Amino acid sequence: DQQVKQNSPSLSVQEGRISILNCDYTNSMFDYFLWYKKYPAEGPTFLISISSIKDKNEDGRFTVFLNKSAKHLSLHIVPSQPGDSAVYFCAASGVGTNAGKSTFGDGTTLTVKP
Amino acid sequence: DGGITQSPKYLFRKEGQNVTLSCEQNLNHDAMYWYRQDPGQGLRLIYYSQIVNDFQKGDIAEGYSVSREKKESFPLTVTSAQKNPTAFYLCASKFLGRTGTEAFFGQGTRLTVV
Repeated sequence: DQQVKQNSPSLSVQEGRISILNCDYTNSMFDYFLWYKKYPAEGPTFLISISSIKDKNEDGRFTVFLNKSAKHLSLHIVPSQPGDSAVYFCAASGVGTNAGKSTFGDGTTLTVKP
Repeated sequence: DGGITQSPKYLFRKEGQNVTLSCEQNLNHDAMYWYRQDPGQGLRLIYYSQIVNDFQKGDIAEGYSVSREKKESFPLTVTSAQKNPTAFYLCASKFLGRTGTEAFFGQGTRLTVV
């Protein structure tokens, strides 16, 4: 059973517009959520994160929103730029002995058109 | 420069052979992880280690083995028992001690069975 789901495999937006990437999770023990960005043939790089005690975290053009009751988070990119075109992975981790282990979604490929 | 290094970048293996992928980090991170990525899919955890001389199986450990003799190194061996080893392999590391720190990834090793 997949505990972290990104239901949209791909998203295409126009440069300058908002990109919204969504992620759902099922495990209520997750208490920290991260977004990573990945270019082809490279390792993912950390983008932004949010703790479960918050509902919003902002870093420049990137904002992550968390809705705990719905077990849903989203990444907003405003304004979108062509260099944002990449695969975006949502990841979740929890407390306890497995606190270091993250569970990843399948990723959403974002294409920003000039 | 501090970072996490995987080698080689490309690796070809004949069927029936074991092959070892290298992962080294100089970030003084406690935990290290091995993930596998197949086309169109997310990152699946193979093995992870939170301390030297100890490691745990991830979700898809069959056909793989690891060791953690030094804090800096976490090599992955793909054995002949792994039925479908062709994939992109990613190594990651992170600090433990507080929930939610991000993982740092290497550049990946693309393994092809010929």
